[in-house]
Amino acid sequence: QQQVKQSPQSLIVQKGGISIINCAYENTAFDYFPWYQQFPGKGPALLIAIRPDVSEKKEGRFTISFNKSAKQFSLHIMDSQPGDSATYFCAARVGNNDMRFGAGTRLTVKP
Amino acid sequence: DVKVTQSSRYLVKRTGEKVFLECVQDMDHENMFWYRQDPGLGLRLIYFSYDVKMKEKGDIPEGYSVSREKKERFSLILESASTNQTSMYLCASSAAAYEQYFGPGTRLTVT
Repeated sequence: QQQVKQSPQSLIVQKGGISIINCAYENTAFDYFPWYQQFPGKGPALLIAIRPDVSEKKEGRFTISFNKSAKQFSLHIMDSQPGDSATYFCAARVGNNDMRFGAGTRLTVKP
Repeated sequence: DVKVTQSSRYLVKRTGEKVFLECVQDMDHENMFWYRQDPGLGLRLIYFSYDVKMKEKGDIPEGYSVSREKKERFSLILESASTNQTSMYLCASSAAAYEQYFGPGTRLTVT
């Protein structure tokens, strides 16, 4: 049973467009919400993360929006580039070690 | 630069064989993790270790065991490989409540 539900499963966006990936969770004990980016043949790498006391965090073209009451969070990639084509995982953690991952979104940015 | 290395990128084994997957980290991290990654299921935790000789079961420990004799090394053992253990295996490490760093993964095929 997936504790973090991620959508869509795949996403195709034109270069310069906005990519949006959504995640929802049930466990209110989660206290850290990272997004990981995975390129083919590589392990996931931390992209950006947020804690539930903040509603938005922006790093360059990447923004996390967090809605605590709705138990949802999303990743927005502005001005999407072909180099952003990768699989993105949302995750939620409780305590030091219990990290739950979404199923992943394969993003393709067309030139 | 942080580094998590895994002993093999690709591995092909026969049903019933004993399989060892090795992971080494050079960051002096307390925590180490083994995940399996399957399409549509995201990353699922098999086992983690928070100290030498200590281990905790994750969500899917059946058919697997682990060993951590030294702080930098965490091994995943498939006692008797089965075809349903064909998957991508990812090792990760972290310091306490900080981000997890992933290795490149081992793609295991059991025939």
